[in-house]
Amino acid sequence: KAGVTQTPRYLIKTRGQQVTLSCSPISGHRSVSWYQQTPGQGLQFLFEYFSETQRNKGNFPGRFSGRQFSNSRSEMNVSTLELGDSALYLCASSSGLAEGETQYFGPGTRLLVL
Amino acid sequence: EDQVTQSPEALRLQEGESSSLNCSYTVSGLRGLFWYRQDPGKGPEFLFTLYSAGEEKEKERLKATLTKKESFLHITAPKPEDSATYLCAVQASGGSNYKLTFGKGTLLTVNP
Repeated sequence: KAGVTQTPRYLIKTRGQQVTLSCSPISGHRSVSWYQQTPGQGLQFLFEYFSETQRNKGNFPGRFSGRQFSNSRSEMNVSTLELGDSALYLCASSSGLAEGETQYFGPGTRLLVL
Repeated sequence: EDQVTQSPEALRLQEGESSSLNCSYTVSGLRGLFWYRQDPGKGPEFLFTLYSAGEEKEKERLKATLTKKESFLHITAPKPEDSATYLCAVQASGGSNYKLTFGKGTLLTVNP
């Protein structure tokens, strides 16, 4: 079974621009969660989508948004980029049918904001 | 608020020298405690899920245990390829909560 895939793997943007990241979950999984990883803060939860609906949301500003499509693929958008948005963005997938089930992570997208 | 604290932050071992990593947690109702391994530049790789105090799971040289307040990841006779950052995360109960709260990780280096 193919794992979680994320595109692109690397991105360089400048302050004020916007960016869209993509995540394709494991086949059959309907839940996609997004996390931001930085050296200072570690892994922090952004939001989770299940069947095209946002179920959970972390404590990030409104510049961070997401959506999920009918095929369970998900996109994350960050508008008006700031230097502090430089991070590794990870998505994770699971069936989404039971709390406590394992989430499987993709390789991440490394975003650098100049 | 859910909290996860991992110690030590970094650990250097000689090949074959066994040790343990600690993960202390505070959560309002534990749905699951997860251990992941992360290599530089890669996404976290799933290792174990523990659900209740007293539970233990093993995989090769790794063994994870769980109490009501903490979890330990025991590494027996480590090899250089076990070098990585080990992450602990918890999921709390309550509604449809799929959020994982992570600790900062333990960077393990195993020298040959």
